[in-house]
Order: sequence, then structure tokens, then C-alpha cells
Amino acid sequence: AQTVTQSQPEMSVQEAETVTLSCTYDTSESDYYLFWYKQPPSRQMILVIRQEAYKQQNATENRFSVNFQKAAKSFSLKISDSQLGDAAMYFCAYRSVRDDKIIFGKGTRLHILP
Amino acid sequence: DGGITQSPKYLFRKEGQNVTLSCEQNLNHDAMYWYRQDPGQGLRLIYYSQIVNDFQKGDIAEGYSVSREKKESFPLTVTSAQKNPTAFYLCASSTATGRAEAFFGQGTRLTVV
Repeated sequence: AQTVTQSQPEMSVQEAETVTLSCTYDTSESDYYLFWYKQPPSRQMILVIRQEAYKQQNATENRFSVNFQKAAKSFSLKISDSQLGDAAMYFCAYRSVRDDKIIFGKGTRLHILP
Repeated sequence: DGGITQSPKYLFRKEGQNVTLSCEQNLNHDAMYWYRQDPGQGLRLIYYSQIVNDFQKGDIAEGYSVSREKKESFPLTVTSAQKNPTAFYLCASSTATGRAEAFFGQGTRLTVV
């Protein structure tokens, strides 16, 4: 069975600085999707970034980028120029192509210090 | 407007009663999901469905049941067998191909007293 592990329950970063959130996963599949979701206090889940496993190039979305290391089964999220609005819970997620199952890690709560 | 609607936003039930949480989507998505969120536990998968009239157990299916009679609807019943039902429940849907990300409803907070 697949698993997703986020080893940092909480992190803090100074406004305008860069922070990296870690995620590792375990799977025997070769094709899958990986995601980072943001959950602000409203509890609405918002997609931050997605990565297809077959693509070697790391995904980027404005200030958000990932470091996808397929062999190491690692999928970290880098947030550059952190803003107060980035404060939220961040969840790493894995989607199986084989059966469409989507599982999540336990999350990292990110605090932005003004 | 396309989206996923969960209702109600807050739900209170007495212990021992079954309760059904509603989830409707008009995105024409094939796959639908139910998750439970507790503090420090992340999102745990309860059930998911890839197609009408078919569904699979997730990691914490005990005490829950679902049905998928229509593509747009995936109701979740929390039965009296669920030992600790008080939680925040999230429904999601997704296409089977393409961008593949899950789109979420706004959640239902269930409190059992």
C-alpha cells in the first residue's frame, strides 16, 4: 500500500524568506501523480502544485516550486518570497494511476513571521 | 458555476443515530472521494468511487457506508458502529485522466453528542 509522510508538523519562516516543506512517499508503482494542497483557516482545500511522475522536470507555479526526486521518493515544496497569506496547513498527496486512489500526508502547519 | 457542494456545513447528532452527509458535484467527474480530518491526522481516506455503482474502501472504512447511484452524488452514512464519529468530513471529486487533481467541497463538521 502507498504511504505519504510529512515529517515536519510545524514550520516557521520570516516574511519574504524561502522555506522548504518535506514530503516522502512509498509506492511500488512507476506512474502516479503528486500534489501539494494548501488549507487556510477557512478549511477549503486549494491546489498549490502538481507533478506527474513520468516528467523529470520539476513543476513550478509562480513562487512555488517542487524538488521531485523519483528514485528517492521525495517531493518537497519550496515557497519563495513568503507572504503572510501563505500561512496555512500544507498537505502532500499521492494519486495512483492504477486505481485513482488519492492519499494524503498528515500535513505541515506553516507560520509566517512578520 | 461548477463545483462540489457538501451539506450541511454543521451537523449535530445524538450518539447511536445514523447520519448521512451529502456530496453533490456538477463537474462531470467520474471519481469521488470521502475523507475524514482530525487534528494532527491529516486527511484519511474513508471510501472512494471510480464509477457509478462501484466503490472501494479506503483506510478507515469501518463504521461508514456509501452509495454511488448517480455520477454526481456520493453520500456518506456515518453509522452507529463508528466509535468516534465527531470530525470534519471532506468530499472530493476528480477526472480519471488529465490534470488528475482532486477538487474539494467546503466540508461538513459532524458533532455527535
